Parts: sequence; structure tokens; C-alpha cells
Amino acid sequence: DTEVTQTPKHLVMGMTNKKSLKCEQHMGHRAMYWYKQKAKKPPELMFVYSYEKLSINESVPSRFSPECPNSSLLNLHLHALQPEDSALYLCASSPQPAIPNEQFFGPGTRLTVL
Amino acid sequence: QQQVKQSPQSLIVQKGGISIINCAYENTAFDYFPWYQQFPGKGPALLIAIRPDVSEKKEGRFTISFNKSAKQFSLHIMDSQPGDSATYFCAAMASSGANNLFFGTGTRLTVIP
Repeated sequence: DTEVTQTPKHLVMGMTNKKSLKCEQHMGHRAMYWYKQKAKKPPELMFVYSYEKLSINESVPSRFSPECPNSSLLNLHLHALQPEDSALYLCASSPQPAIPNEQFFGPGTRLTVL
Repeated sequence: QQQVKQSPQSLIVQKGGISIINCAYENTAFDYFPWYQQFPGKGPALLIAIRPDVSEKKEGRFTISFNKSAKQFSLHIMDSQPGDSATYFCAAMASSGANNLFFGTGTRLTVIP
């Protein structure tokens, strides 16, 4: 299994809703990432987990809350989002933290905040 | 501040032609330079990557040229095909950088038949 899966593919939520994005990989990778990508822009790093511990938080607002329950799963909990948070949310994983190597990206969750 | 600068923003090439995308960086600590290909509605996928100990890497129709002294690297797509039409991102990472991947701004490539 050489892929990163993300659910749901699409999500529409109101500003008062609470929802979660899910990411899963079974490649034995020990680093996992959340990125946000706006249309026609490159991915922007949000969070990095190394060995299931949060190692980087790129000054992301607290309405985004990441969670890494185990080495295969990564969640992003969403609460009280704003319309400008609408974007493609990408999950990625890589074999080893702190060693530059390929990051494998999932297909993303297209989030729309009304 | 954009850590990796990429040009052109968009590129139109005839089928069979050569597509060339250029990137430049300033941080000499960068030691891993991947190129990602992204189709609409999909996540980026690694196309090819290079480390600074070599000046060129070729995989099929895709070649990375790397100039360490100029702090520049480029992607060449030979015999471009309509199926290559996508957005291409160069990126850079440093071993000391806690896996922070810095992306260029992207190039939208269109290959016309």
C-alpha cells in the first residue's frame, strides 16, 4: 500500500459547525503533515507530526486542531471556521522525520465554509 | 518572503516540444530539491528529485538540471505530451529544517496537440 488516503473528499460546513478531516497511511511513515492549498497557489504547511508528536505548528489559528492518534492516522478538527478557510486540505507523509525525502500527498479534502 | 522563486507562471508548448521551468533559491542550507506535478482536483505527486551532489538527473522524459553555484535548478520535459498538462511545483528542503518543504509558486503547463 503506497498511498495516502483522505476522507471526506468534499466537505461543506457552516461557520458554527464542528467537523473533522481524516488522513491515513500504511507505509510505515513516521512523519505526517497537513497543508492548506488555495486555488492556483502552492501548498502551505500547517502542521508536522514526527513520531506522533507535533513538531511544527506554522502559526495556525486555534480553530484548526490537529491530532495524531497513532502512527497511521492524522486528523484535523475544525471548529468555527471562516469563509476564507475554504481551500483544499492536503495530508502528506514521509518515511523519516528530519531526513529530506519524498513527501507522499493524499488527494485532499475540498472544504467549503459558508 | 518566497524561499523558492519559480518561473514562468504559465507555459504553453506544442506537442513534441521541450518544456522548461526554472527555479531559484537563496538558502544554502537546502539540500533536497523535488519537483511535484499536480492535476486539477488531485494532490501533488513527486515527479523527480535531486540532491546537490549531482548536476543532472534524468528519469524518462524528465530531467532536472542543478547549478549549485548559481542556486538554480530547472525541469526539462522532453517530447511534451498533452497528458503532461498540469501544474508543476519546484520545492526545496533542508536536512536541518524539520521536514519543512518550501514550494515555488507553480507553473501551469499546457501542451497543445
